Amino acid sequence: SQQGEEDPQALSIQEGENATMNCSYKTSINNLQWYRQNSGRGLVHLILIRSNEREKHSGRLRVTLDTSKKSSSLLITASRAADTASYFCATDEETSGSRLTFGEGTQLTVNP
Amino acid sequence: EPEVTQTPSHQVTQMGQEVILRCVPISNHLYFYWYRQILGQKVEFLVSFYNNEISEKSEIFDDQFSVERPDGSNFTLKIRSTKLEDSAMYFCASRGTSYNSPLHFGNGTRLTVT
Repeated sequence: SQQGEEDPQALSIQEGENATMNCSYKTSINNLQWYRQNSGRGLVHLILIRSNEREKHSGRLRVTLDTSKKSSSLLITASRAADTASYFCATDEETSGSRLTFGEGTQLTVNP
Repeated sequence: EPEVTQTPSHQVTQMGQEVILRCVPISNHLYFYWYRQILGQKVEFLVSFYNNEISEKSEIFDDQFSVERPDGSNFTLKIRSTKLEDSAMYFCASRGTSYNSPLHFGNGTRLTVT
């Protein structure tokens, strides 16, 4: 499997429910970031968590990082139809220089 | 809020032709990137650029690709002889000086090679 794999690949929920997306990676990282992409648009940065952090919050977003398991999760609480988008995790690997490596993404659909 | 701008938004070209995709990164950023996304697939790293030179490139970024920062504001990606498989969304991104700073992406150029 590749660096930065998300699961599930697709998630469909009702407005008001919580959405949880997971990301696994393989190498040591400096930080892990989550991005959102609306259809046909560029990626928008949501949140960054450093390798020495375990949890971070930003509004309705909660990110966790478990470096021992090389995994992260993104929780969106009280979802809205406007949260419908693709969500990608991206890793800043210790040995990769300046690149970010993106995962496959989770397509989230929030039904009104 | 400052943003990364890309032009054109859509480029159609014939196989074998050269294309230049243009980007204006955020003005005080120092790291510049090109990524591509084939329809429905993951976002793939092509190249990063810092201090007027390529700092890292992927195996996709072969001799057909080149990047340039011709002046203080523009950052371009050139594909010398396009192939059908180059059809994709090409995203430019820039990053500031802080080690843990995020990437700021443009809205992309959709390249269609016919």
